[in-house]
Formats: sequence, structure tokens, C-alpha cells
Amino acid sequence: DIVMTQSPFSLPVTPGEPASISCRSSQSLLHNNGYNYLDWYLQKPGKSPQLLIYLSSNRASGVPDRFSGSGSGTDFTLKISRVEADDVGVYYCIQTLQAYTFGQGTKLEIK
Amino acid sequence: EVQLVESGGGLVQPGGSLRLSCSASGFTFSSYDMHWVRQAPGKGLEYVAAVSSDGGSTDYADSVKGRFTISRDNSKNTLHLQMSSLRAEDTAVYYCVKVKRILELPSGMPLPEDYYFMDVWGKGTAVTVSS
Repeated sequence: DIVMTQSPFSLPVTPGEPASISCRSSQSLLHNNGYNYLDWYLQKPGKSPQLLIYLSSNRASGVPDRFSGSGSGTDFTLKISRVEADDVGVYYCIQTLQAYTFGQGTKLEIK
Repeated sequence: EVQLVESGGGLVQPGGSLRLSCSASGFTFSSYDMHWVRQAPGKGLEYVAAVSSDGGSTDYADSVKGRFTISRDNSKNTLHLQMSSLRAEDTAVYYCVKVKRILELPSGMPLPEDYYFMDVWGKGTAVTVSS
């Protein structure tokens, strides 16, 4: 089974400052079609998860361009260029190459 | 508006059974694969099960294989999760999730093969397994 490891566990950020979340997989998520099977979700407090990024770097519909995803193989990063108060919540990466495995989550909070 | 409304959660004793349902509206239910994903109290997300759009293909996480059964009734726009031999570790909020299939990237570049992601989630129904 593919294990997903996120860091940091908690991420306090000042509004307007950038933020970065790392996600590492125990096996490469690079499909033989050339795409990395890695998505990012945000679960805001008391809400259901919402899709942010799919296939490592593609923003879902309606997601602000402050959010960007990058990486390949086993190392991936979600970046927020300028954090806003509405960005608080828990961010999850998920691999979709072999079944589905979520990372343990990164809690972003405002300083 | 796409809506997924779960029901059927509650308190059940270890070893017991429970059937969850998810009522879908706002989209052509029979055209989409569906998933169940759960979240234990204070914990992260865990994939539980999947069913193809026509119900002919299913998949399960190892943790529930042989105990849970996912099914759907396309005539009633409803997804089900039959849970049996329940354990304390099955205590969680269970989310019904619609799966979207894409053929191309936002730029218009076609994908070499279809990609599926979980694009709409219900609000969840809570299951507690305890004596």
C-alpha cells in the first residue's frame, strides 16, 4: 500500500504571508501516461472536504490562483502565495494511483 | 445544484449492522461513479468503498472488505453502504462522494486517459460503534 506523509502537522501563518505544505508518498505517483496521480483537498472547520488541486498541479474550478500545486514522483508541494483568513482548515493530499490513500492532514491556522 | 444527503447513521453495538443511504440530486446520478469516505473523530480521511456508475463494479478498502457492501439504485438516485460486523474502529462520519471524470485539462489539453477525482461531498452521517 502507498503511504502518504504530510508536513508540517500544524502551520501557523500570518495573513498575507505565503504558506507551503509538503506531501511525500512511499512510492512514485507518476503514472505511465506522464501524469502524477496526486490531489489536494481542504476541509474547512465543520465542513466537508473540497477539491483544490488535481493531477499534482491543476486547480479545480473556482479555486483562487493563490493556490498552486507542484511536484513529481514522490515529492509534492501545495503553496498558497498569500494566506487569507478563509484559508484556515486542514489540508489533505491523496494519491489516486493505487486505490486511494490520504495524508494525515496539515492544519493551517492564522497567527 | 448538486446535493448529496446522507442518512442512516447512529449508535450500534459492536458486531451489529447498519445501512447508510445517500440521496443524490442536481445531476444525472446514473452517469457517475460514487464513493464512501469516512473520518474518525479528530482524525483524517479514509477511503472506504467505490461503485461504478452502473453498479457493476465495486472496490473496498482492506479495512472493510468482507464486512461492508456498497450498492446503488439508479432508479431512486440513491447510494447505499451496508455495514456489518461493526467494530469500534468503524466509528466515524461517513461521507457520500460524487466522482467526476475528466477527459482534458483546464487548458484544453486532452488527457491520455480519463482521470477521476472526488468533486462533491455530502455533509456526512455519524456512525458510533459502542456498547
